[in-house]
Amino acid sequence: EVQLVESGGGLVQPGGSLRLSCAASGLTFSRYWMSWVRQAPGKGLEWVANIKEDGSERYYVDSVKGRFTISRDNAKNSLYLQMDSLRAEDTAVYFCARALYSYWFDHWGQGTPVTVSS
Amino acid sequence: DIVMTQSPDSLAVSLGERATINCKSSQSVLYSSNNKNFLAWYQQKPGQSPKLLIYWASTRESGVPDRFSGSGSGTDFALTITSLQAEDVAVYYCQQFYSSPWTFGQGTKLEIK
Repeated sequence: EVQLVESGGGLVQPGGSLRLSCAASGLTFSRYWMSWVRQAPGKGLEWVANIKEDGSERYYVDSVKGRFTISRDNAKNSLYLQMDSLRAEDTAVYFCARALYSYWFDHWGQGTPVTVSS
Repeated sequence: DIVMTQSPDSLAVSLGERATINCKSSQSVLYSSNNKNFLAWYQQKPGQSPKLLIYWASTRESGVPDRFSGSGSGTDFALTITSLQAEDVAVYYCQQFYSSPWTFGQGTKLEIK
């Protein structure tokens, strides 16, 4: 059974940084694109970033380019999201998801909440 | 960016009846080289993570009940739930993966009448 478990969320001041982690199990992690998707309180889903199986390609939504960095460690079956220069509008639950062929999200974690507030 | 617009925003349907949720993309998501529509549907129950229902616009994910079906092509799509069950109460989202950034519809809240 595929399991994705996010961690690292919390309360951070505007302009601050946070690093999210996603521990994957039950899959050959290195064979799949992985993504981060977020959901602001009471709002819909927003794709944030994708990373290729070997980490050689990374894509971001415009609103986080230059501030967020997606990365992975295939030896540790882990996905990361380094979030810098955080803004109030980054407040959301952040989901780790497997992106099949980089296209659709067939497995999701339970999410980790991030609150950006002073 | 491709804008995905769902209708209605909310829907109340009686148990056992049919529910249809529509999704319209601002440009075609049909890829001519393979004749596939780059569209997926998700279900998100209260307090849970989203769950994949449909991909390629009409291919049901393994384990998804056959009362869920997807249809449409180009810019107009629909998710149909035949014989609505109580456990189908959720918010439903469409998502395009034709061009980056991947984008979702705003969601349709499905309730029991």
